[in-house]
Amino acid sequence: GNSVTQMEGPVTLSEEAFLTINCTYTATGYPSLFWYVQYPGEGLQLLLKATKADDKGSNKGFEATYRKETTSFHLEKGSVQVSDSAVYFCALRAGGGNKLTFGTGTQLKVEL
Amino acid sequence: EAGVAQSPRYKIIEKRQSVAFWCNPISGHATLYWYQQILGQGPKLLIQFQNNGVVDDSQLPKDRFSAERLKGVDSTLKIQPAKLEDSAVYLCASRDRVINTGELFFGEGSRLTVL
Repeated sequence: GNSVTQMEGPVTLSEEAFLTINCTYTATGYPSLFWYVQYPGEGLQLLLKATKADDKGSNKGFEATYRKETTSFHLEKGSVQVSDSAVYFCALRAGGGNKLTFGTGTQLKVEL
Repeated sequence: EAGVAQSPRYKIIEKRQSVAFWCNPISGHATLYWYQQILGQGPKLLIQFQNNGVVDDSQLPKDRFSAERLKGVDSTLKIQPAKLEDSAVYLCASRDRVINTGELFFGEGSRLTVL
């Protein structure tokens, strides 16, 4: 079956540090890949996505590249801010039905 | 544009009691999802509706959970009787099938605590 594995958190960084959150997946066929973010007290919202191999999704300074050969979709940001503190979820959509399969989430804390 | 609305935001009940959660999706979104998010885990799909029909309920514990979307707009998720392991956040999401970017729009969730 489909599954997503994320690095465990919490990840604590100083402001302006480089961020990587690892995500690998198992899926049949050619899934689409997503990063969702959940800020404190808010619902999940789409951060970025990639629909085919070698695509790079980007938004708000975050980037992730769909690597089919390593079945990965790692999230990166060059310089994090305190406002980036949130829980980040990697997800995939494979097959019909537009059903998302989520990872367990990684909490990011950014300190001054 | 109004987002996905859910209520109540918080609910505390005793085990074996019943509870209902309500969701109003973004206007015009034909597809509606209910997800269960247990603390420390990612959201797990319970049920997916397309208009008022069920597309996927394979992971819905049907002996205690039920959901309906009678008019193809808002939806209710019910748990009866609740168990301790049902303590979770219940997330509702909707998707625009016409402008199909694949993006799901989530509500803030309903947090259930079963004592």
